[in-house]
Amino acid sequence: EVQLVESGGGVIRPGGSLRLSCVASGFNFDDYGMSWVRQAPGKGLEWVSGINWNSGSVRYADSVRGRFTVSRDNVKKSLHLQMNSLRVEDTAFYHCVRGISGYDHYFDNWGQGTLVTVSS
Amino acid sequence: IVLTQSPGTLSLSPGERATLSCRASHSIMNNYVAWYQQKPGQTPRLLISGASTRATGIPDRFSGSGSGTDFTLTISRLGPEDFAVYYCQQYGSSPPTFGGGTKVEIK
Repeated sequence: EVQLVESGGGVIRPGGSLRLSCVASGFNFDDYGMSWVRQAPGKGLEWVSGINWNSGSVRYADSVRGRFTVSRDNVKKSLHLQMNSLRVEDTAFYHCVRGISGYDHYFDNWGQGTLVTVSS
Repeated sequence: IVLTQSPGTLSLSPGERATLSCRASHSIMNNYVAWYQQKPGQTPRLLISGASTRATGIPDRFSGSGSGTDFTLTISRLGPEDFAVYYCQQYGSSPPTFGGGTKVEIK
């Protein structure tokens, strides 16, 4: 069974930093591109960032480019999102998702998410 | 690419047919459109990819169609478990983008 388990969320002041992690199990992690998708409470879905299987290609949404950095460790089967210069509008559940046919294509498995709250 | 879903809310009775629309601001390459279902407190579940290919385990009452800028998700006969929010997503151009969602509620 595919499992994606996120951690690292919390309450942070504007301008602060957080590092999210996702541990994968139940599939060959290094066969898949991975992404982060966020959902503000009660709102819709927004793709944030993605990384291909060997970290050779990464992409970011315009809203986070220059502030967030995605990375992965295929040995530890983990995905990470370093979030700097956080803004109130970054408040959301952050889901680790498995990409199909590309890290920025469609997503067949979603983690439960970790909540990031940016508030003064 | 901006995706606009309509209607925002669809009020129907179990057994009725649901037709959900997703319109794109630009033509979507290769009809790369996916649909997801999200129930309260749950993560999105993939229903359809490539505009019309059902994901593993998705009942055949769910069907997707469309091309270019206009796409449709149809639920032929609503079961009680189908009342949820549905999102379309395009992946023909990067970054992938999602529509705002259609809530299907019990009338």
